[in-house]
Amino acid sequence: KAGVTQTPRYLIKTRGQQVTLSCSPISGHRSVSWYQQTPGQGLQFLFEYFSETQRNKGNFPGRFSGRQFSNSRSEMNVSTLELGDSALYLCASSPHSPGPIGNTIYFGEGSWLTVV
Amino acid sequence: GIQVEQSPPDLILQEGANSTLRCNFSDSVNNLQWFHQNPWGQLINLFYIPSGTKQNGRLSATTVATERYSLLYISSSQTTDSGVYFCAVDRRGNYGQNFVFGPGTRLSVLP
Repeated sequence: KAGVTQTPRYLIKTRGQQVTLSCSPISGHRSVSWYQQTPGQGLQFLFEYFSETQRNKGNFPGRFSGRQFSNSRSEMNVSTLELGDSALYLCASSPHSPGPIGNTIYFGEGSWLTVV
Repeated sequence: GIQVEQSPPDLILQEGANSTLRCNFSDSVNNLQWFHQNPWGQLINLFYIPSGTKQNGRLSATTVATERYSLLYISSSQTTDSGVYFCAVDRRGNYGQNFVFGPGTRLSVLP
């Protein structure tokens, strides 16, 4: 079974531009979540999508947005890029099973974004 | 929100040594996972362990949910074990996920 696939792996953008990152989850997984990793703030939750709906959202400004398509693939967009948006952006997918206990999540290799 | 602490922040070992990494969390959780981040940035899932004990080869983990901590044991360490180990917890269960990560333990295994 193929793992979580993220594209692009590396990209450099200029302040003020926007960027779109893509994530293809593991086949059969319906939940996709996004995390930002920086040296100063560590790993922080951005948002989670399930069945094309945003189910949970972290504490990030509105410049960060996302969506999920009917095939569970997800994209996240950052508009009006700032230098502080330079980070590793990680996507994770998980299956959905009913019950009080959560599911294992599996991460992709990430997209390294540098804003100059 | 829930707070996650990990100790030690840094650990240097000789190959073959054993180690214990600790994760403390401030509130009850229904999901806890350990990850290893390799030098290329990918987070590899080691254990899904909201409670109890699990073993996978040289690695094992124990979570005592009632006391709000989890331990990751690495035995007979190898240089390939180097990297950052993260503990992540979540409270949402089947209502989705919003993992809170600890700051990590950076492990360096020397040959």
